[in-house]
Amino acid sequence: AQSVTQLDSQVPVFEEAPVELRCNYSSSVSVYLFWYVQYPNQGLQLLLKYLSGSTLVESINGFEAEFNKSQTSFHLRKPSVHISDTAEYFCAVSDQGAQKLVFGQGTRLTINP
Amino acid sequence: EAGVVQSPRYKIIEKKQPVAFWCNPISGHNTLYWYRQNLGQGPELLIRYENEEAVDDSQLPKDRFSAERLKGVDSTLKIQPAELGDSAVYLCASSTGLAVYNEQFFGPGTRLTVL
Repeated sequence: AQSVTQLDSQVPVFEEAPVELRCNYSSSVSVYLFWYVQYPNQGLQLLLKYLSGSTLVESINGFEAEFNKSQTSFHLRKPSVHISDTAEYFCAVSDQGAQKLVFGQGTRLTINP
Repeated sequence: EAGVVQSPRYKIIEKKQPVAFWCNPISGHNTLYWYRQNLGQGPELLIRYENEEAVDDSQLPKDRFSAERLKGVDSTLKIQPAELGDSAVYLCASSTGLAVYNEQFFGPGTRLTVL
């Protein structure tokens, strides 16, 4: 069975600083990988996803994540964060056959001015 | 375009009482999901529908939980009777198809507190 571990429950950073939110998964088969974001008082939204092809995927608001098969990781990065990035971020995995999302515990990103 | 609508947003009940949650997916989305999110955890799938058919209800505690999507549009999730451990946020999501690479659009959730 697949599982996801987000290594940090909370990550505080200063505005304009870089950030990395870590995600590791376990699965014995090929996977799809996702990052979802939940802004305060809103529903979860898809931020980016890896299905196949290039291991580096990007979102429209400057986040990127890299699929590393050997390390079974899919860490999320942004070179310079803004106050508006304050949210909870969830990593999710699905075996390509299972077609079911398994979410991590979430990482709360707090941006300090 | 309206997003996924859920009601109520908040519900407080006493244990052993019944409770129901309602979800209206995005128009045209055939696939509907119910998730439960416990405090400090990520969402966990309870059931997913393709139109009116439940295609995966393996995670639904069937002794007290039930769900329906009679006309393949809106859906209701019911708990009867509720237990203290059912306190959580219940999320509904919809997508254009069953394949997991189809983006799931989530509603704001219903926060249930069982006293």
